[in-house]
Amino acid sequence: DAKTTQPNSMESNEEEPVHLPCNHSTISGTDYIHWYRQLPSQGPEYVIHGLTSNVNNRMASLAIAEDRKSSTLILHRATLRDAAVYYCTRVYNQGGKLIFGQGTELSVKP
Amino acid sequence: DTGVSQNPRHKITKRGQNVTFRCDPISEHNRLYWYRQTLGQGPEFLTYFQNEAQLEKSRLLSDRFSAERPKGSFSTLEIQRTEQGDSAMYLCASSLAPGLAGFSSYNEQFFGPGTRLTVL
Repeated sequence: DAKTTQPNSMESNEEEPVHLPCNHSTISGTDYIHWYRQLPSQGPEYVIHGLTSNVNNRMASLAIAEDRKSSTLILHRATLRDAAVYYCTRVYNQGGKLIFGQGTELSVKP
Repeated sequence: DTGVSQNPRHKITKRGQNVTFRCDPISEHNRLYWYRQTLGQGPEFLTYFQNEAQLEKSRLLSDRFSAERPKGSFSTLEIQRTEQGDSAMYLCASSLAPGLAGFSSYNEQFFGPGTRLTVL
């Protein structure tokens, strides 16, 4: 099961936008991309998902490349509460299991 | 609270002992997943159920591991003859299965807080 690849860590300043990249070059045509984030001592929390088109919700935006080999999670205004490990996951259409990479640890500076 | 719950939250055991963890999913969710997470790594899929049927098991799930979901509601994960390498966070998640026309990968998963296992 091929995993996604992400930078190990990123830094942001509070109230600035953050772009978190992810590569998923082996994704198949019907597998969605989901993003989750994990705060210390908690289970992962769903952020957003998409298949081909860019997506927006109250938490974030997701930009998916035309060839679907990469995507970018966009936090429009980072807050201190957004500091977490962000996981880009490929989701197998068969059964819906999540395949996590190592994630990006986002730190937010006041 | 109507989220996913897991018990116990922490378990310390000696090598060779058996342990059992419980997961209570969101009540209307028919899919239940188990993942394992070691320090600094992302979660790794172990197995999943749709209702009471166990439909997939990862190669990570050795024969010392067994999972059940007897009535399609709560699930248990048992590890027999624990080894130090079993020390990890065990996460449970639940979701809705898609309708006949939907994709499995559409539905978000809701995770519990995890059970942290330490094998001495």
